[in-house]
Amino acid sequence: AQRVTQPEKLLSVFKGAPVELKCNYSYSGSPELFWYVQYSRQRLQLLLRHISRESIKGFTADLNKGETSFHLKKPFAQEEDSAMYYCALNTGGFKTIFGAGTRLFVKA
Amino acid sequence: GAGVSQSPRYKVAKRGQDVALRCDPISGHVSLFWYQQALGQGPEFLTYFQNEAQLDKSGLPSDRFFAERPEGSVSTLKIQRTQQEDSAVYLCASSIDSNQPQHFGDGTRLSIL
Repeated sequence: AQRVTQPEKLLSVFKGAPVELKCNYSYSGSPELFWYVQYSRQRLQLLLRHISRESIKGFTADLNKGETSFHLKKPFAQEEDSAMYYCALNTGGFKTIFGAGTRLFVKA
Repeated sequence: GAGVSQSPRYKVAKRGQDVALRCDPISGHVSLFWYQQALGQGPEFLTYFQNEAQLDKSGLPSDRFFAERPEGSVSTLKIQRTQQEDSAVYLCASSIDSNQPQHFGDGTRLSIL
């Protein structure tokens, strides 16, 4: 079955520290992977997608097909990065499968 | 408007009542998605429309759930004979087409008493 796993419900780091939000997926074909973010009192929005290979707000994510992972990384966390982050998988159809989310809390 | 609009923002209903949730997508967006988000979980796919055609309704949890998009723009998600387990946030998203990033609304928080 297609599934997205985000093992951490909560991740707390200090400002300036590196951050990595883990995402693993189960799908045997060629996946399309996304990270969505929801800031406090805002709507869910796309942060980045793996096919774009771009860095958004200092975040990057590399698709590792061998490990079936798509971890989100940032070298120096900022307080404004505090938010809920969702990893999502699309297998080519209309259905996007979301993980349960990780709440990132960046402490001053 | 500039984004996806959902109404109402909050809905409280008694068990057994019918409810209707509305989604107004971004103008020109062909694709429209409905999701159900339970507390502490990620959004779960319910159904997908391409214009007025409902191409995937595999995520609808029961035949009490019904969605329509008759003119290819505004969509309504209807839940009949609501149950307590229907309590959740219902999210609508639209995109230019199914392969493009989805733009989400603020959601409707449904509480069944």
